[in-house]
Amino acid sequence: DARVTQTPRHKVTEMGQEVTMRCQPILGHNTVFWYRQTMMQGLELLAYFRNRAPLDDSGMPKDRFSAEMPDATLATLKIQPSEPRDSAVYFCASGPRNSYEQYFGPGTRLTVT
Amino acid sequence: GQQVMQIPQYQHVQEGEDFTTYCNSSTTLSNIQWYKQRPGGHPVFLIQLVKSGEVKKQKRLTFQFGEAKKNSSLHITATQTTDVGTYFCAGSTSGTYKYIFGTGTRLKVLA
Repeated sequence: DARVTQTPRHKVTEMGQEVTMRCQPILGHNTVFWYRQTMMQGLELLAYFRNRAPLDDSGMPKDRFSAEMPDATLATLKIQPSEPRDSAVYFCASGPRNSYEQYFGPGTRLTVT
Repeated sequence: GQQVMQIPQYQHVQEGEDFTTYCNSSTTLSNIQWYKQRPGGHPVFLIQLVKSGEVKKQKRLTFQFGEAKKNSSLHITATQTTDVGTYFCAGSTSGTYKYIFGTGTRLKVLA
């Protein structure tokens, strides 16, 4: 049963620290998304990639967030420096070729104190 | 910017009752998707609607896309406790992979 994996599942860090979240998309999927979910804002699209190329990162605070796909099996989302308002669940999702379906990973719950 | 609203925000039903959630977009959509998120879980893809007026069924779930492609609904017949969760719609206006998620409807089913 193919799944999107995300690490770490939980992260507690202090304000100002760098945070790196990792995602392994489903093998063969060529679209990767990063979302953030909070009670106040709901599910927000931060960025997405197709064939490893960034297509849209307009939802991401540019000064502190960065997203990359070093290879087809790894996507990363970095926050530097982290702030308490970044506390949220960060989901990675991947999508198969020729489809708009999105398969979500279990998420990384980030708490910034 | 584009907004996608869902009503109601919360719904409590007795097991066996029907349930409907409505999704409204401020702009015309090219297609719409529906997801279910169980408490503590992640969104799970349910279905995609593309055509104006399209109706699709999955067992007890009926999905509809409005004629103007600005609204959609999800109807569950005879709810079960396994239906508990938050239902999200997600719309794309440009036919790209950029989806705006709705505010969600949280469903509780009382046994």
